[in-house]
Amino acid sequence: GIQVEQSPPDLILQEGANSTLRCNFSDSVNNLQWFHQNPWGQLINLFYIPSGTKQNGRLSATTVATERYSLLYISSSQTTDSGVYFCAVEGGAGSYQLTFGKGTKLSVIP
Amino acid sequence: DAGVIQSPRHEVTEMGQEVTLRCKPISGHNSLFWYRQTMMRGLELLIYFNNNVPIDDSGMPEDRFSAKMPNASFSTLKIQPSEPRDSAVYFCASSLALGYEQYFGPGTRLTVT
Repeated sequence: GIQVEQSPPDLILQEGANSTLRCNFSDSVNNLQWFHQNPWGQLINLFYIPSGTKQNGRLSATTVATERYSLLYISSSQTTDSGVYFCAVEGGAGSYQLTFGKGTKLSVIP
Repeated sequence: DAGVIQSPRHEVTEMGQEVTLRCKPISGHNSLFWYRQTMMRGLELLIYFNNNVPIDDSGMPEDRFSAKMPNASFSTLKIQPSEPRDSAVYFCASSLALGYEQYFGPGTRLTVT
């Protein structure tokens, strides 16, 4: 099946700093989603981005499908950004499951 | 709009007991997914439905696990008998159709002692 690798696995930021999270995948994908799992365990949709660039406030994402990677940018980080960020891909003909990476654990300190 | 609703939010049971987890998808969504999250294996798909019909149950770990979707607004995941290794957070997700963005419920944290 398709492999999803996220980096870095852990990241500690000072409040106000910027960061880039990366997601590599091993095969062509039909869809790609970014999620934030908050400290209470809720999976929150950030982006649905099989290709191109999207922005939502301080967050933006870019997927380059031909090169099999996606990037999540967090600018001016806040303590509420802490949690685990997951990349999930849907790939393969007739396969509609999301395959998740292991996540990037982000800690933003004041 | 209400999101995906799951119940119970927490379940503690003894080994050998039957456990039933419940999910109500977002109204109008035709596809429903059950995932499990553990520290060891991360998030993994168990089964998904489209228009109430099970499409792929290859992720269901054993025959002790079963899932049903009797109508468009309700699904259950049942474990019988439960075992300590079933302890995990079980998420239900729904999407407008297959291939569309998936939205997750709050999860059910299951502990089997």
